[in-house]
Amino acid sequence: GQNIDQPTEMTATEGAIVQINCTYQTSGFNGLFWYQQHAGEAPTFLSYNVLDGLEEKGRFSSFLSRSKGYSYLLLKELQMKDSASYLCAVTDSNYQLIWGAGTKLIIKP
Amino acid sequence: EADIYQTPRYLVIGTGKKITLECSQTMGHDKMYWYQQDPGMELHLIHYSYGVNSTEKGDLSSESTVSRIRTEHFPLTLESARPSHTSQYLCASSEGEGSSPLHFGNGTRLTVT
Repeated sequence: GQNIDQPTEMTATEGAIVQINCTYQTSGFNGLFWYQQHAGEAPTFLSYNVLDGLEEKGRFSSFLSRSKGYSYLLLKELQMKDSASYLCAVTDSNYQLIWGAGTKLIIKP
Repeated sequence: EADIYQTPRYLVIGTGKKITLECSQTMGHDKMYWYQQDPGMELHLIHYSYGVNSTEKGDLSSESTVSRIRTEHFPLTLESARPSHTSQYLCASSEGEGSSPLHFGNGTRLTVT
């Protein structure tokens, strides 16, 4: 079966750096997405990786290793508004999106 | 600024009722999706469409139907609501390419009593 694993919950301090990991086992691979979802709201797109390496977008970066079936989202200079769930999703060989359950990130002052 | 709209935002309805959740997008996207999401859980695909007159079933398609008569409109109908249908329903759209991200509506939170 297809599976995406993310930690259920993480806690970090305002101003610090946090890394949210995602491992996947899917039927083929055609890209990996990270989305942010605040409580009670819809997911919003953060990043997309299809090739190995690091993609940087301001305070957020996303890394992919296809050989290891692994990605991480790196959040720098954490702000209270970064408290949210972070969803990892992989596009499989049929271009279907497989979603992880998300990592709830709690930011403390 | 929302380019994809869902109505109603909240709905409380009795068991056995037929309901339609509305979704419209103004971006001209060909692909549209309906997802169900319970708190703290992953998104489950209910139905999707690759364009007008195209509809496909996802993992949770039973007891619901969709239609795609116009590019911008993708309504979801539950023929007979049950308490197990209580959940958040998210509509999304994307451009044609596999690398295109999904744009989500604000969701409909459905409670079936």
